[in-house]
Amino acid sequence: GEDVEQSLFLSVREGDSSVINCTYTDSSSTYLYWYKQEPGAGLQLLTYIFSNMDMKQDQRLTVLLNKKDKHLSLRIADTQTGDSAIYFCAEIPSGGYQKVTFGIGTKLQVIP
Amino acid sequence: EAGVAQSPRYKIIEKRQSVAFWCNPISGHATLYWYQQILGQGPKLLIQFQNNGVVDDSQLPKDRFSAERLKGVDSTLKIQPAKLEDSAVYLCASARTDTQYFGPGTRLTVL
Repeated sequence: GEDVEQSLFLSVREGDSSVINCTYTDSSSTYLYWYKQEPGAGLQLLTYIFSNMDMKQDQRLTVLLNKKDKHLSLRIADTQTGDSAIYFCAEIPSGGYQKVTFGIGTKLQVIP
Repeated sequence: EAGVAQSPRYKIIEKRQSVAFWCNPISGHATLYWYQQILGQGPKLLIQFQNNGVVDDSQLPKDRFSAERLKGVDSTLKIQPAKLEDSAVYLCASARTDTQYFGPGTRLTVL
């Protein structure tokens, strides 16, 4: 079955770049998502990438996909204290009706 | 557009009691999901609806959990009877295509 793995914790200084990593196992065509969860809140969709793409940039966010290694990363430029949250990587096979698999989440701590 | 609405936001019950959660998806979203998120873990899919039909309920503990989506819009998730290990946040999400949008969740504490 599908599996998504993430590191548990990342600490960066305000203004630095953050890189959150994720590995996945599904080799079929898939969407890969990054969600942000702040304390006591639901999951907020940040960005997504389809598996035929290598990179996607959206303002301070850059998603890089290495299909060969099934490795996904989320880079946050100029990290702010408001970026402190848990970041979830999720794998969703294309075509709908397929089970979503979330990683365990990476807790990002931004130090002022 | 309005987001996914869930209620209640918090619920505290004793074990063996029953509880129900409600979800109102984004208008026009045919697919609705219920997830269980235990503290320190990622969300786990419990059940997926396409309109008012069940697409996937393979991880739903059917001896105590039930869900319905009447008329293909709102949905309710029920636990009867609750166990201590059911303490978690229950997230509802909806989707028009593949991208899921989440509600704020209901935090359940079972004492």
